[in-house]
Amino acid sequence: AQTVTQSQPEMSVQEAETVTLSCTYDTSESDYYLFWYKQPPSRQMILVIRQEAYKQQNATENRFSVNFQKAAKSFSLKISDSQLGDAAMYFCAYRSEYRRDDKIIFGKGTRLHILP
Amino acid sequence: GAGVSQSPSNKVTEKGKDVELRCDPISGHTALYWYRQSLGQGLEFLIYFQGNSAPDKSGLPSDRFSAERTGGSVSTLTIQRTQQEDSAVYLCASSGWAADTQYFGPGTRLTVL
Repeated sequence: AQTVTQSQPEMSVQEAETVTLSCTYDTSESDYYLFWYKQPPSRQMILVIRQEAYKQQNATENRFSVNFQKAAKSFSLKISDSQLGDAAMYFCAYRSEYRRDDKIIFGKGTRLHILP
Repeated sequence: GAGVSQSPSNKVTEKGKDVELRCDPISGHTALYWYRQSLGQGLEFLIYFQGNSAPDKSGLPSDRFSAERTGGSVSTLTIQRTQQEDSAVYLCASSGWAADTQYFGPGTRLTVL
């Protein structure tokens, strides 16, 4: 079974600085998708970034970028120029290309604090 | 267009009562998902609908949980004879097709006293 591990329960970063959130996953599949979701206090899960496993190029979305290392099964999120609005719980997630139920498997999350 | 909506936003109930949680997906989305997020935990997958059918219900935690979807749109998650361990945030998500990105609603916080 696939698993997703986020080893940092909490992190803090100074406003305008750069922070990297770690994620590792375990799978025997070759085709899959990886996601970072953000969950602010409002509870709404917001998609931050998505990576297809077959793509070697790392995904980027404005200030958010990933470092996808397929062989190492690592998928870290880098947030540049951190803003107060980035404070939230961040979840790394995995979705198989093959599963019949199409569920997303989530890590336990990293709570990110932004220090003014 | 509008995002995924869920109602109620919060629900407080007494142990042993039945509750119904509602999810209204993004218009045109054929796939719909239910997850449960307990305090301090990640998200636990409950069930997935493609159209009105749920191919696999094995993620539901017990036979007190059931879900249905009608007209390929609104879905309800029903919990019968609620227990305190059912207290959690229940999140719904939808996607345009099974392989697409899932977009989440704001969730329903269920508290069982």
